[in-house]
Amino acid sequence: AQSVTQPDIHITVSEGASLELRCNYSYGATPYLFWYVQSPGQGLQLLLKYFSGDTLVQGIKGFEAEFKRSQSSFNLRKPSVHWSDAAEYFCAVGEETSYDKVIFGPGTSLSVIP
Amino acid sequence: NAGVMQNPRHLVRRRGQEARLRCSPMKGHSHVYWYRQLPEEGLKFMVYLQKENIIDESGMPKERFSAEFPKEGPSILRIQQVVRGDSAAYFCASSSDRGSYGYTFGSGTRLTVV
Repeated sequence: AQSVTQPDIHITVSEGASLELRCNYSYGATPYLFWYVQSPGQGLQLLLKYFSGDTLVQGIKGFEAEFKRSQSSFNLRKPSVHWSDAAEYFCAVGEETSYDKVIFGPGTSLSVIP
Repeated sequence: NAGVMQNPRHLVRRRGQEARLRCSPMKGHSHVYWYRQLPEEGLKFMVYLQKENIIDESGMPKERFSAEFPKEGPSILRIQQVVRGDSAAYFCASSSDRGSYGYTFGSGTRLTVV
């Protein structure tokens, strides 16, 4: 079965600094990969997804992610973080079953300091 | 066009009571997924339903938990005889077509067992 790991439980960055959140997956074939964001007390919002094609994916809110098959990674990046980006970020993989099942990583909590 | 509606947003139950969580999918969506988020943890898959059918309940605890998605009305996640360990946020997502992984999440129900 597919699985997702996010090595960093918590990250703190300064506003305006660049950001990279790490994600590794285990899957034999080309996976479906996702990044979601969860603001406090809210549901999850899809930032971006990768199915195939260009390995650099652009998402909403200025985020991008790069699929690297050789490293089994799908890291999320943003060149300049805003205070409103403070949230929980989840990497996820689509499990290949008879339906669209999504498996989530444990999440990385992002704090932004002025 | 309303999104995925979950109610109640917050639910407090005493140990031994029953909890009923409701999820109305987006209009036109016939696939419903329930996830549980324990404190400091990611989202864990519980169950996947289509109208009047439970397709995959592999993530549901064997006892006290049940789910349904009737022909009319919302999907219901039911927890009987709640215990303190059931305290968590329960999220519902819905999607339309298979293969798109186009989940739309609700804002969740936060269950507290006292």
